[in-house]
Amino acid sequence: EPEVTQTPSHQVTQMGQEVILRCVPISNHLYFYWYRQILGQKVEFLVSFYNNEISEKSEIFDDQFSVERPDGSNFTLKIRSTKLEDSAMYFCASRRGLAGGLNEQFFGPGTRLTVL
Amino acid sequence: DQQVKQNSPSLSVQEGRISILNCDYTNSMFDYFLWYKKYPAEGPTFLISISSIKDKNEDGRFTVFLNKSAKHLSLHIVPSQPGDSAVYFCAAARVTGGGNKLTFGTGTQLKVEL
Repeated sequence: EPEVTQTPSHQVTQMGQEVILRCVPISNHLYFYWYRQILGQKVEFLVSFYNNEISEKSEIFDDQFSVERPDGSNFTLKIRSTKLEDSAMYFCASRRGLAGGLNEQFFGPGTRLTVL
Repeated sequence: DQQVKQNSPSLSVQEGRISILNCDYTNSMFDYFLWYKKYPAEGPTFLISISSIKDKNEDGRFTVFLNKSAKHLSLHIVPSQPGDSAVYFCAAARVTGGGNKLTFGTGTQLKVEL
């Protein structure tokens, strides 16, 4: 069964460093998302991406964040200068998205980002 | 942001009995609702969904009920099995006229005991 994959599973970085989290969405899906979950808190929406552009972003997704689909398979989240409060599990999700249905989002296993 | 609430942080049920997980929402623009199951250190796994034009959707042991007037949905698991022990999240989205981003509840830890 096709699934969303994410790499790395765990990333440790120093405050102020740039990190890139990688995702391979399900191959025939058209919509891509990033969410995060800070320990003990809710899963929160960060950004959605469709047709090679951001379709919606949350207040969390400030200028330090960017997303890219550099080729036909990868979807990346970049944090330019990490802060301690960026430490969280980051989940990638994708959705087939056809008219009239297929609205379910399927999630990857997550990347645990630890900022020291 | 408390648009989606799961007021029970935990639930304990005996194997073979029914598990009922509840979820309330406040935003009347939500028109699609989903339940996800999550194990520690894994991503949410999609279980079942329901559109706001329905009041019930069933898939095997899982049934989701939607009461739009009360802005309430519930997930029924019958019969409950030990492997069902996990955190269950409800999520809501606005599909029509919205970007389909998911707004999650805080989760309910289900423990199914032998």
